[in-house]
Amino acid sequence: KNEVEQSPQNLTAQEGEFITINCSYSVGISALHWLQQHPGGGIVSLFMLSSGKKKHGRLIATINIQEKHSSLHITASHPRDSAVYICAVRHGGAQKLVFGQGTRLTINP
Amino acid sequence: GAGVSQSPSNKVTEKGKDVELRCDPISGHTALYWYRQRLGQGLEFLIYFQGNSAPDKSGLPSDRFSAERTGESVSTLTIQRTQQEDSAVYLCASSRYSGTPYNEQFFGPGTRLTVL
Repeated sequence: KNEVEQSPQNLTAQEGEFITINCSYSVGISALHWLQQHPGGGIVSLFMLSSGKKKHGRLIATINIQEKHSSLHITASHPRDSAVYICAVRHGGAQKLVFGQGTRLTINP
Repeated sequence: GAGVSQSPSNKVTEKGKDVELRCDPISGHTALYWYRQRLGQGLEFLIYFQGNSAPDKSGLPSDRFSAERTGESVSTLTIQRTQQEDSAVYLCASSRYSGTPYNEQFFGPGTRLTVL
């Protein structure tokens, strides 16, 4: 079992739908990151959070430390949101990230 | 300002040859990371630099892999005697070191290594 588990692995939806991607981890963390990997391979950091909720445009990230779970939501999804979304965690003072396997999201027009 | 750059963007080599991959981090970023992504798999941590020293090299898969960083800037990842299982995209990231876990990492475009 991976330390960081994402679900679903693949998600296809229609434009406009509300999207939820889940991330669960097994060991206590100091921070959780959500990353976006574009079809061309480039990776962009979306959020870093250690508690509560953050919002940026149509993206919302939440984390529940007690349940060791985070969700990434996309409202009013658009085909340009199609990408792989990756959850990654940091433990204690360590700098390295431990990654989930990613969720491939496809938004059809 | 310029982002993280990596070179070459693609490298094809024969099994047994040595390769060097280069990363130029964002200016002023003291932390630098190397990751690997094999085809169809998730990202794996390889090594982390703070300045020119590497306090965490726990992800290097074998002693054929080494990395160095000079001038708190450019880093080189060297793979000796390459094997086919080394084929992957090698990604570099950099961040300001703030002494907390909350520093954002900025990723380079990666080097796609193919070992024939």
